[in-house]
Amino acid sequence: QVQLVESGGGAVQPGRSLRLSCTASGFSFSTHAIHWVRQAPGKGLEWVAVVWFDGNNKFYAESVKGRFTVSRDNSANTAYLQMNSLRAEDTAVYYCARGPNPWSNYYGMDIWGLGTTVTVS
Amino acid sequence: DIVMTQSALSLPVTPGEPATISCRSSQSLLHSNGNHYLDWYLQKPGQSPQVLMYLGSNRASGVPDRFSGNGSGTDFTLRISRVEAEDVGVYYCLQSLESPNTFGQGTRLEIK
Repeated sequence: QVQLVESGGGAVQPGRSLRLSCTASGFSFSTHAIHWVRQAPGKGLEWVAVVWFDGNNKFYAESVKGRFTVSRDNSANTAYLQMNSLRAEDTAVYYCARGPNPWSNYYGMDIWGLGTTVTVS
Repeated sequence: DIVMTQSALSLPVTPGEPATISCRSSQSLLHSNGNHYLDWYLQKPGQSPQVLMYLGSNRASGVPDRFSGNGSGTDFTLRISRVEAEDVGVYYCLQSLESPNTFGQGTRLEIK
């Protein structure tokens, strides 16, 4: 079964850190980019970051640049979002989503996890 | 950053009637490969988002053919030919031409 499962969310005080994980199964994880998208309570979707298939390219939203770091371990089929210097405005459900395979056609973010909740207060 | 604007925040529709959701980008989403990097996502109540359309006009796997997408340059639309009750939720456009990717603010489709 093709799926992504996020974990690592929780309640944390402002200024502290948290690391989210996104574990994949059912597909070739090492050939796909992984995106992180968040949704604050009652708000819309906000793209946060992406890590390319090989981990060599990473991009961030301006709102998290310098505080969040995305990475991946292809041997563990897992991507990570390290979140430092957390703020109240980082409170959200964090989703990971499968991005494109550079050797295949583009299909958008075609697989999403159920999300993990981060509360900063 | 590319700014994505969805003109309607809410769209009440009668079942069986068509619906059109618009999205505008602050710059062209046309890639040198000829594709427009504009996707549509639907987030149904209590669920994770799901992709509906990619590259502007390509239906994702399993998406009913009552959904269609078109547009070019900076203006794009998602059309539902006959709205059904299961189509309720928030529709988002996303540009993936360049990083940071950016979403529109969402359009909530409601059943009258």
